[in-house]
Amino acid sequence: GNSVTQMEGPVTLSEEAFLTINCTYTATGYPSLFWYVQYPGEGLQLLLKATKADDKGSNKGFEATYRKETTSFHLEKGSVQVSDSAVYFCALRQSLQGAQKLVFGQGTRLTINP
Amino acid sequence: DTEVTQTPKHLVMGMTNKKSLKCEQHMGHRAMYWYKQKAKKPPELMFVYSYEKLSINESVPSRFSPECPNSSLLNLHLHALQPEDSALYLCASSPWERAGGTKNIQYFGAGTRLSVL
Repeated sequence: GNSVTQMEGPVTLSEEAFLTINCTYTATGYPSLFWYVQYPGEGLQLLLKATKADDKGSNKGFEATYRKETTSFHLEKGSVQVSDSAVYFCALRQSLQGAQKLVFGQGTRLTINP
Repeated sequence: DTEVTQTPKHLVMGMTNKKSLKCEQHMGHRAMYWYKQKAKKPPELMFVYSYEKLSINESVPSRFSPECPNSSLLNLHLHALQPEDSALYLCASSPWERAGGTKNIQYFGAGTRLSVL
């Protein structure tokens, strides 16, 4: 079946450091890929997405490129801020006859220290 | 408006109580979802409604009973829960997707944090 594997956390960085969170997937075909972010005490917010190979999703300084050769969708940011502290989930989408199922990775907790 | 609204934000209930969680969206989405999220874990899909009909039940115990009274509302009725059911319950919605569609996404509410005593 389809699955998503994320790098294990937690990840702790200093402000302005470079961030990479690795994500790889196993799937039939080429599913759409997503990064969702969950701030403390909140639900999930879509951070960025990519729907086909070589697409680059970007938002709020975060980027991720859909690499079908390596089945990866790694999240990067050049200079993190304290406000980026959150849990990040990589996910792929399976279509379910008009609806959809999101298959999530285990999540990576990110803490940014000032 | 891309908002999914869930009420209440917090709920404490005993194992003999009956309570309901509510979810509302006004984006015209015809697919709605309930997820359960335990601490430090990803969300787990519980139910999917498609055009107000239950299309997916991920083997959820019958003490959880979903209901979709109209295209904007989704309820989750709770009865005789166990302490291990304590979790964050998330509602989500998405547009109906034609075969091969790639552009729609799932929008999540802020969740109801449930504690079962």
